[in-house]
Amino acid sequence: GNSVTQMEGPVTLSEEAFLTINCTYTATGYPSLFWYVQYPGEGLQLLLKATKADDKGSNKGFEATYRKETTSFHLEKGSVQVSDSAVYFCALYAGGTSYGKLTFGQGTILTVHP
Amino acid sequence: DGGITQSPKYLFRKEGQNVTLSCEQNLNHDAMYWYRQDPGQGLRLIYYSQIVNDFQKGDIAEGYSVSREKKESFPLTVTSAQKNPTAFYLCASNLVQGGTGANVLTFGAGSRLTVL
Repeated sequence: GNSVTQMEGPVTLSEEAFLTINCTYTATGYPSLFWYVQYPGEGLQLLLKATKADDKGSNKGFEATYRKETTSFHLEKGSVQVSDSAVYFCALYAGGTSYGKLTFGQGTILTVHP
Repeated sequence: DGGITQSPKYLFRKEGQNVTLSCEQNLNHDAMYWYRQDPGQGLRLIYYSQIVNDFQKGDIAEGYSVSREKKESFPLTVTSAQKNPTAFYLCASNLVQGGTGANVLTFGAGSRLTVL
């Protein structure tokens, strides 16, 4: 079946540090890949997405590149801010008979200190 | 603005009671979903519905029930049969695109259920 594995958290960084959150996936075919962000006490918001190999999704300074050869979709940001503190979820959509369902990773908690 | 409204935001339940979580969307989306979130476990799918009057079990449907009588509404009932109901519950929707491309979910703000 489909699965998503994220790096273990929590991740703690100082402001302006470089961020990488690893995400690898297992799926048949050519899934679409997503990063969602969840701020404290809220639902999930779409951060970025990529629909085919070598696509790069980007938003708010975050980037992730769809690497089919390594089945990865790592999230990066060059300089994090305190306001980036949140939980980040990697997810995939396998299409076909998935009927719109997403498969999520376990989430990575990011805390950024001033 | 269009979006998903979940209520109540916080709910406390005694053991043995059924409770119903509300989810309403005004996005004209066809499909709706309920996910359960527990610390360190990500999101797990409880039920989903592609069209009115039809719904399917997800990965952890035991102890839960749903209905889809209107396109806008997809309430979730947590029954007394659910052994460990304390969790954060998230409702989501999307405009099903027939599997041809990215499938973006829109989420509500969530409901936190605590069993006393």
